[in-house]
Amino acid sequence: ILNVEQSPQSLHVQEGDSTNFTCSFPSSNFYALHWYRWETAKSPEALFVMTLNGDEKKKGRISATLNTKEGYSYLYIKGSQPEDSATYLCALPPLGGGGNKLTFGTGTQLKVEL
Amino acid sequence: EAQVTQNPRYLITVTGKKLTVTCSQNMNHEYMSWYRQDPGLGLRQIYYSMNVEVTDKGDVPEGYKVSRKEKRNFPLILESPSPNQTSLYFCASSPDPTTSYEQYFGPGTRLTVT
Repeated sequence: ILNVEQSPQSLHVQEGDSTNFTCSFPSSNFYALHWYRWETAKSPEALFVMTLNGDEKKKGRISATLNTKEGYSYLYIKGSQPEDSATYLCALPPLGGGGNKLTFGTGTQLKVEL
Repeated sequence: EAQVTQNPRYLITVTGKKLTVTCSQNMNHEYMSWYRQDPGLGLRQIYYSMNVEVTDKGDVPEGYKVSRKEKRNFPLILESPSPNQTSLYFCASSPDPTTSYEQYFGPGTRLTVT
């Protein structure tokens, strides 16, 4: 089973702080990486799908980078707001791609306080 | 509105009483999948389907069945539910089964088996 690790497990920041968290995965035979945002009582929503080493994606105040050679992706949130409070999940398909399932990490739970 | 729907949203049942959780998507997606979410374990895939009449096991298929007779529907069947199947269940769909595309999640079904 593919090992996808996320850190930290939880994070409390103040409104306006910038923050980042990590998704780590085996560096060999990378195919794609997904980031999802999951708010309490809602369903997970896709943020980014990243496929190329060095890829950078941005959506508003949220951005992500990808390093497939060393096996990690960072998710950054600039100027955190209370509405950013959610669990952020990363997921990968089987190494080498061609698979049809995603393995999810356990997520980073972010709480932004006023 | 493009969406994935699940029914019921909440269900309390007793051990051994067969149940079906329905999932439907209106986006003409080929790929559909079922996940369960348990505290500390992340989202784990139960079954997935690449197209009509094509289904395959995920990481935790024991105790579940699925069928894909129509492109839009992917019901999850628990023939004889047990308390260890108490969980939050998500259905998801994607336009492409290669996992290079984001998945769209339904609202979730919270199942309690007593």
